[in-house]
Amino acid sequence: AQSVSQHNHHVILSEAASLELGCNYSYGGTVNLFWYVQYPGQHLQLLLKYFSGDPLVKGIKGFEAEFIKSKFSFNLRKPSVQWSDTAEYFCAVRPQNTGNQFYFGTGTSLTVIP
Amino acid sequence: DVKVTQSSRYLVKRTGEKVFLECVQDMDHENMFWYRQDPGLGLRLIYFSYDVKMKEKGDIPEGYSVSREKKERFSLILESASTNQTSMYLCASSRPGTSGRGEQYFGPGTRLTVT
Repeated sequence: AQSVSQHNHHVILSEAASLELGCNYSYGGTVNLFWYVQYPGQHLQLLLKYFSGDPLVKGIKGFEAEFIKSKFSFNLRKPSVQWSDTAEYFCAVRPQNTGNQFYFGTGTSLTVIP
Repeated sequence: DVKVTQSSRYLVKRTGEKVFLECVQDMDHENMFWYRQDPGLGLRLIYFSYDVKMKEKGDIPEGYSVSREKKERFSLILESASTNQTSMYLCASSRPGTSGRGEQYFGPGTRLTVT
């Protein structure tokens, strides 16, 4: 079965600290990769996505993620977090040849302390 | 802008009641999905549909059914609500992956409490 692992369940950082959230998946074929964010009280929204090409993708609000195929990883990074980045972050994988189904990780709750 | 709307933000029902959760999208997306979101478990797929009147079971379909009579509307039905179905329910829609890259757009969620 496909699985997506987010190793950090809760992360607490001070403002201006750097962030890296891990995401690993188990599917061996071609995949599309996504990071979604859910701010308190809001709906899930797309942060960034990878389909092909440059493995370093940039998203909204200064976030970026790097796809490392050999490690089956798609880690999310931000050089300097802000209080407004407090949210829950979900990694998602869509195997290309299994239709339209997504597989989500269990999420990482980020709290940024001012 | 893609808009996915869900009929209720908060819902309280009694055990044994039949519950309908409605989802509507306005971007002519072929695919629609129902998830439940629980702390520590992330998003788990209940059912999805890739066309009108078509449905596929997700990872946790037990106790749920769905209906898709029109392209823009996807309903989740709890035939006989139970307390373990208390959760946040999220609806999403997308184009097929081959044409539209397949990213999903989410509604605001319905927080269902079954007492």
